[in-house]
Amino acid sequence: ELQLVESGGGLVQPGGSLKLSCAASGFTFSDSTIHWVRQASGKGLEWVGRIRNKANNYATAYAASVKGRFTISRDDSKNTAYLQMNSLQNEDTAVYYCTGGETAARTWRECWGQGTLVTVSS
Amino acid sequence: QSALTQPASVSGSPGQSITISCTGTSSDVGGYNYVSWYQQHPGKVPKLMIYDVNNRPSGISNRFSGSKSGNTASLTISGLQAEDEADYYCNSYTASYTRVFGGGTKLTVL
Repeated sequence: ELQLVESGGGLVQPGGSLKLSCAASGFTFSDSTIHWVRQASGKGLEWVGRIRNKANNYATAYAASVKGRFTISRDDSKNTAYLQMNSLQNEDTAVYYCTGGETAARTWRECWGQGTLVTVSS
Repeated sequence: QSALTQPASVSGSPGQSITISCTGTSSDVGGYNYVSWYQQHPGKVPKLMIYDVNNRPSGISNRFSGSKSGNTASLTISGLQAEDEADYYCNSYTASYTRVFGGGTKLTVL
């Protein structure tokens, strides 16, 4: 069974930093692209960014709202992806999800983590 | 990258069919066959219902179908059931190598 588990959320002051982790199991993590998505309370989903696999040079891409402040990385030896968040602002307060998957039997299988809450407040 | 445009709400009676639209541009929805649809019940994690415009993951009911015409993608739910009541989000790959979500549509089953 595909599984992703986020951790690292919490309360941080404006201007501060936080690093989220996303631990994977049940699929070939090293072949996968991992996305981060966030959702503020009562709001819609917002795509944050993604990191591709080694074959694609671990290429990253980010939403304009976080570009230059957030960095996505991965450690395939630990089956874990990370979201480093710097210069945090109140509007970054949200539940952060990681998502990924694989193609099996010509069908895409995707899973999402349970989410981790990040609260930016003084 | 602006969010894709979805109706804020749609409704239907049990057994009926409804369609949720997702309008973008030629730089996202219209340019690529990489449109996904997600279902999210209150307090729950989003669930993939359709990927690559019209493909269903294993285990998703064939009552859910997707299509695309020009810059607009659509999710159709046939034989509406009470448990279909949820928020639905579309998502598309973009020309900037990013992805973008729609604003979400609240489906009410009357």
